[in-house]
Amino acid sequence: ELKVEQNPLFLSMQEGKNYTIYCNYSTTSDRLYWYRQDPGKSLESLFVLLSNGAVKQEGRLMASLDTKARLSTLHITAAVHDLSATYFCAGNYGGATNKLIFGTGTLLAVQP
Amino acid sequence: DAGVIQSPRHEVTEMGQEVTLRCKPISGHNSLFWYRQTMMRGLELLIYFNNNVPIDDSGMPEDRFSAKMPNASFSTLKIQPSEPRDSAVYFCASSSTNEKLFFGSGTQLSVL
Repeated sequence: ELKVEQNPLFLSMQEGKNYTIYCNYSTTSDRLYWYRQDPGKSLESLFVLLSNGAVKQEGRLMASLDTKARLSTLHITAAVHDLSATYFCAGNYGGATNKLIFGTGTLLAVQP
Repeated sequence: DAGVIQSPRHEVTEMGQEVTLRCKPISGHNSLFWYRQTMMRGLELLIYFNNNVPIDDSGMPEDRFSAKMPNASFSTLKIQPSEPRDSAVYFCASSSTNEKLFFGSGTQLSVL
C-alpha cells in the first residue's frame, strides 16, 4: 500500500527566504503530483512529475523527483506572502489508474 | 469549461438524517473520485469510478456510505444515516486517463 509522508507539517518563513518541502513515498509510484490549497478553497494542481530526475518550475516554485530515493521536493525561492497556503504531494498508486494518495500537507506561512 | 461542479456547497443536518452530495465531472473525463478532508485524517480517497464503474471503494468508511455514477456526467455520494463524525469537506475530482485530477469546490458537511 502506498503511503506518502511530507515534512515539515508546518513552515513559517520570512519573505525573501528559501526553503524546501520534502515528500517521501513508500512504494513505486508512476508519477508524483503537487497541489496547492488556500484556506477554505479547493485543490489546485501545481506540478506533475513523470519520471526520475524530472524538474519543473513555475515562478518561485520548483519541484523535482528522485524515484530511486522515492523522494520529491518542492523548493521555494525568495518566498512572498502570496505563497502562503497548504501544499500537498500525492503519489499515483500505479497502473492505468489515477488513484492518488495524498500526503499530510505542509502549511506554509510566509511572514512579511 | 465550468470545471467540476459540486452541490451543495454547505450542508447542515441532524444526526440520523440522509445526506446526498452531488458531483458533475468535467465533460470528457473518464475517471471520478470522491475524497474526504478532515483535520485529523487529511485527504482520504473514498471511492473512484472509471468509465462510470466503481473500481475501488476500499476507502468507504462504512456501509452507511454509498456512491453511484449512473452516467458520465453525474455522481452522488450518500450517507445514511449520518453521524457527527461524518462532518468534513467532501471533494469530488475528475480526470482523463493518466492525467492530473481536477477538484471541485467541495461540500462542507456538518452533522449536528
